[in-house]
Amino acid sequence: AQSVTQLGSHVSVSEGALVLLRCNYSSSVPPYLFWYVQYPNQGLQLLLKYTSAATLVKGINGFEAEFKKSETSFHLTKPSAHMSDAAEYFCAVTTMNSGYSTLTFGKGTMLLVSP
Amino acid sequence: EAQVTQNPRYLITVTGKKLTVTCSQNMNHEYMSWYRQDPGLGLRQIYYSMNVEVTDKGDVPEGYKVSRKEKRNFPLILESPSPNQTSLYFCASRRGSEQYFGPGTRLTVT
Repeated sequence: AQSVTQLGSHVSVSEGALVLLRCNYSSSVPPYLFWYVQYPNQGLQLLLKYTSAATLVKGINGFEAEFKKSETSFHLTKPSAHMSDAAEYFCAVTTMNSGYSTLTFGKGTMLLVSP
Repeated sequence: EAQVTQNPRYLITVTGKKLTVTCSQNMNHEYMSWYRQDPGLGLRQIYYSMNVEVTDKGDVPEGYKVSRKEKRNFPLILESPSPNQTSLYFCASRRGSEQYFGPGTRLTVT
């Protein structure tokens, strides 16, 4: 089974600083990878996805992620944090199960942005 | 508007009282699933369905049932809820690689 590891349950940055949220996956076959964001008291919103095309993926709200096969990583970055980026972020990977792909999530990273 | 809806959004109940959380999607997706979200554990899949009358267990199916009699609906049933099922529940539907989530149902079992 595939798995996802998000390093750091909480990440704190100052407004305007670089945001880096780490995600590593385990997979024996090329995966599909996703980042979701969850704002307080809301559902999950897709930020971006990697589906075997360009390794640098751009998403909404200025976020991007780079797929690095050699490092089995899919870290999420944003050059300059905004207060409105404070939320919980989930990395996810597809998992093949009995011929159907299922989505496996990491445990999440809470991004805290201070003024 | 393409969406996944869940009802109720909030529910407080007592141990052992059967309940159903409904989920409906208007995108004609074949694949639907239920997740629960708990602090520090992320989202874990409870059950999924590949199509009408086809369901299978996810990672944490104990204490839950599902049914898929119509493509658009995928209710989650707790026959005898227990306090350890207090959680935030999400329904989702999928086409291809992209999954669409409902707004969530916050369940408290006392």
